[in-house]
Amino acid sequence: DGGITQSPKYLFRKEGQNVTLSCEQNLNHDAMYWYRQDPGQGLRLIYYSQIVNDFQKGDIAEGYSVSREKKESFPLTVTSAQKNPTAFYLCASKAGTGSNTQYFGPGTRLTVL
Amino acid sequence: GQQLNQSPQSMFIQEGEDVSMNCTSSSIFNTWLWYKQDPGEGPVLLIALYKAGELTSNGRLTAQFGITRKDSFLNISASIPSDVGIYFCAGQGPAGANNLFFGTGTRLTVIP
Repeated sequence: DGGITQSPKYLFRKEGQNVTLSCEQNLNHDAMYWYRQDPGQGLRLIYYSQIVNDFQKGDIAEGYSVSREKKESFPLTVTSAQKNPTAFYLCASKAGTGSNTQYFGPGTRLTVL
Repeated sequence: GQQLNQSPQSMFIQEGEDVSMNCTSSSIFNTWLWYKQDPGEGPVLLIALYKAGELTSNGRLTAQFGITRKDSFLNISASIPSDVGIYFCAGQGPAGANNLFFGTGTRLTVIP
């Protein structure tokens, strides 16, 4: 099946620890995105990548880092510098600059204890 | 980043009723998208609109791309319990712009 997978579904972290969220797609999409969603709010863009080995900061990049070493993978690291990391994290992808439609993964809920 | 004005914030309706929600923006968009999100899941694309004035249906859902390119609405006819969820609009700007801007969502509750 083609699609976007995120793992794990639920993640618990102690304060002060870094944690990496996985996002994989087998849709052969060029662009990938990471969003953060807080209760009662819309999605806010953290980072995005249009091609391999390139990525750009979104609106709330502070305390996060990403890499794009392979087309199908775009992992997000939540560092200890992120002051309020508890949230629902969504990964998305789209075909390329000719497409405007993003498709989302199932999300990872991160809770910092 | 820009967020779109989406209304209403929440709706409680009886099963069988029709629903309407809309999004407005201060900027012109080239694309409007409507997504539905179930609790604890990622948003699922419902309808994509690419042209001003476009009216598109997907089953009981109908969405329109406003003539001014600054607004869009989504209608759901004859609501059923599984329509429950949060509906998001999203808009994308001029050609070359890479990012979607999202509304704050409309939470729909359908009372059987």
